Amino acid sequence: AQSVTQPDIHITVSEGASLELRCNYSYGATPYLFWYVQSPGQGLQLLLKYFSGDTLVQGIKGFEAEFKRSQSSFNLRKPSVHWSDAAEYFCAVYNQGGKLIFGQGTELSVKP
Amino acid sequence: GAVVSQHPSWVICKSGTSVKIECRSLDFQATTMFWYRQFPKQSLMLMATSNEGSKATYEQGVEKDKFLINHASLTLSTLTVTSAHPEDSSFYICSGGEGISDGYTFGSGTRLTVV
Repeated sequence: AQSVTQPDIHITVSEGASLELRCNYSYGATPYLFWYVQSPGQGLQLLLKYFSGDTLVQGIKGFEAEFKRSQSSFNLRKPSVHWSDAAEYFCAVYNQGGKLIFGQGTELSVKP
Repeated sequence: GAVVSQHPSWVICKSGTSVKIECRSLDFQATTMFWYRQFPKQSLMLMATSNEGSKATYEQGVEKDKFLINHASLTLSTLTVTSAHPEDSSFYICSGGEGISDGYTFGSGTRLTVV
C-alpha cells in the first residue's frame, strides 16, 4: 500500500538559515508527489508538485524539492527561512484510487 | 487557480444537533470532492469522497449515518454532522480540483466545537 513518512515531527531553525524537510514514500510505480503548507487554523496550500521529468522542482515562496527514486525521497528545501515560513508542512503521494495520502506532517518553528 | 470556498470557518453547536458544512468550487467544476478530518497536531484523515450526482464513498471506520455527504451540483458539496457529540469536535477540510495535474485545492477548513 502507498504510504508517506515524514520522520521529523518538529523542526526549529533560525531565521535566515537553510531548511530541509524530509519525506519518504512507498509506491510501486512512478509517484505523483506533493508538498503542502498549512498555517494554524487554515486549509492547505500547494507548495510544489512532481509528476515526471526534472527531478528538482521549484515551487512557490522560494521552496524547492528533489525527487530521488533510489532513496524513495522527496525532500523539501529552502535556502533561507523567513519567520513567516513557520507552519505545518505535509508531504503527500497520489494513489491509484485518486486520493492523496498524507504524511504525518512536520511542524516548523523559526527562531528570530 | 482553482478556489474552494468553505463555510462556516467555525461553528459551535449543542450536543444532539446537526451542523452543515459547505464547500463550493468557485472557478471550476468539481466532479469529485474530498472531505478530511484533522485532529490537533495530526495529519489529515480522509473521511469520504463525494461524487457529483451519486453516493459518497466513505473510508473504513467512518459512520455514513453520522457524516452525511451531498454533492448535488458540480460546484457544491456539503458535509452534515448529524446528532453531533463532543467527540465530533474537530477541524474539517474539503478539497477538490479539476484533476490531479494541478494538485487538489483545499478549503480553509471548519472548526467544529460541540458543547
